[in-house]
Amino acid sequence: GQNIDQPTEMTATEGAIVQINCTYQTSGFNGLFWYQQHAGEAPTFLSYNVLDGLEEKGRFSSFLSRSKGYSYLLLKELQMKDSASYLCACYMEYGNKLVFGAGTILRVKS
Amino acid sequence: DGGITQSPKYLFRKEGQNVTLSCEQNLNHDAMYWYRQDPGQGLRLIYYSQIVNDFQKGDIAEGYSVSREKKESFPLTVTSAQKNPTAFYLCASRTNKAGQGNSPLHFGNGTRLTVT
Repeated sequence: GQNIDQPTEMTATEGAIVQINCTYQTSGFNGLFWYQQHAGEAPTFLSYNVLDGLEEKGRFSSFLSRSKGYSYLLLKELQMKDSASYLCACYMEYGNKLVFGAGTILRVKS
Repeated sequence: DGGITQSPKYLFRKEGQNVTLSCEQNLNHDAMYWYRQDPGQGLRLIYYSQIVNDFQKGDIAEGYSVSREKKESFPLTVTSAQKNPTAFYLCASRTNKAGQGNSPLHFGNGTRLTVT
């Protein structure tokens, strides 16, 4: 079976740093994606991790620990436009498909 | 520019009617996917296709059907057997080449289906 867990909601202040966690238990795991989705829109790709460690991309970083089944997305210097839902998705090599978590709604307040 | 086109953006149907959602891509991707999203929830996989003339059921395939007669097109039919069809439907594609596990999904802009 597959199980991907993320917090339902988080609130943070403009200019601050926020960490969104994702834990997973899946068979056939071979990589983890993070997507951003604004209300009513399609998800957009943020980052991908397949090896353990940190991947940095501007204000966004993502971390993966395969042995712990754990990832996080780190957002720095938060802006109001970062208010969105953040989706964690596991790449399943068998079937070449992505399985998504329920998403974390991030609210950035001024 | 390459991309994925879903049409229409909004669709209204009466209960008991079948409805087909269109998805076309010009990214030359082999793999295509249909996801459903309900308010406040993540994406759930309905059907996916790795190559033309082949497709597999996802986690919530009941009440849906698909076809993959062309590489560019992957239409989804929501049948009257789908008990709760009102939702936001997203089509996506990605490359299927070996060693491309880090290739992200490209999404269309979605179709919001309302059945009354």
